[in-house]
Amino acid sequence: GAVVSQHPSRVICKSGTSVKIECRSLDFQATTMFWYRQFPKQSLMLMATSNEGSKATYEQGVEKDKFLINHASLTLSTLTVTSAHPEDSSFYICSAPPTSSSYNEQFFGPGTRLTVL
Amino acid sequence: GQNIDQPTEMTATEGAIVQINCTYQTSGFNGLFWYQQHAGEAPTFLSYNVLDGLEEKGRFSSFLSRSKGYSYLLLKELQMKDSASYLCAVADSNYQLIWGAGTKLIIKP
Repeated sequence: GAVVSQHPSRVICKSGTSVKIECRSLDFQATTMFWYRQFPKQSLMLMATSNEGSKATYEQGVEKDKFLINHASLTLSTLTVTSAHPEDSSFYICSAPPTSSSYNEQFFGPGTRLTVL
Repeated sequence: GQNIDQPTEMTATEGAIVQINCTYQTSGFNGLFWYQQHAGEAPTFLSYNVLDGLEEKGRFSSFLSRSKGYSYLLLKELQMKDSASYLCAVADSNYQLIWGAGTKLIIKP
């Protein structure tokens, strides 16, 4: 199947700093990528839909100025958590359906565990 | 509103069979997915159903009834490595995935 990578896999930062997470589709093109957040023992929560060449679509309750998304190419989307606080500590996962598919499968990155001290 | 229901936790014995149920109410339907997620890892795709019936893939099978808003994931010949959370997700009319909370499956020797 298709491969999606994320970097970094784990990050620890101080409160108030910004953290950038990269999501790459390695062997396919993705015009759309999804960013999820998962708190312990909870399901995935969609944060935003990243669209190549246009603005991201944010879910209700997600601050677009705090979670900056850039989808500059067909293989790369970035999520920047600005002025991170301890409550932003979570598991962030990106996913992408291949451009040629009909949304019948999403491929997930391995996730990024963010810990804000 | 949109809702996906699945049991929180199930326990089964190694070598046995277990069925994990999922019921859904969504605005539109463009397929139902099952994903497996081990602790601390991202989900991995198991199955996709868009038509009624049973899809079999090795030890795993998935069933869908659109009229009942119901699906199940059947795991046969359980192995210890099958201990994980199993997530049910439905693609709505906009192809956005609506996720269930997941079922934690515990396999005992």
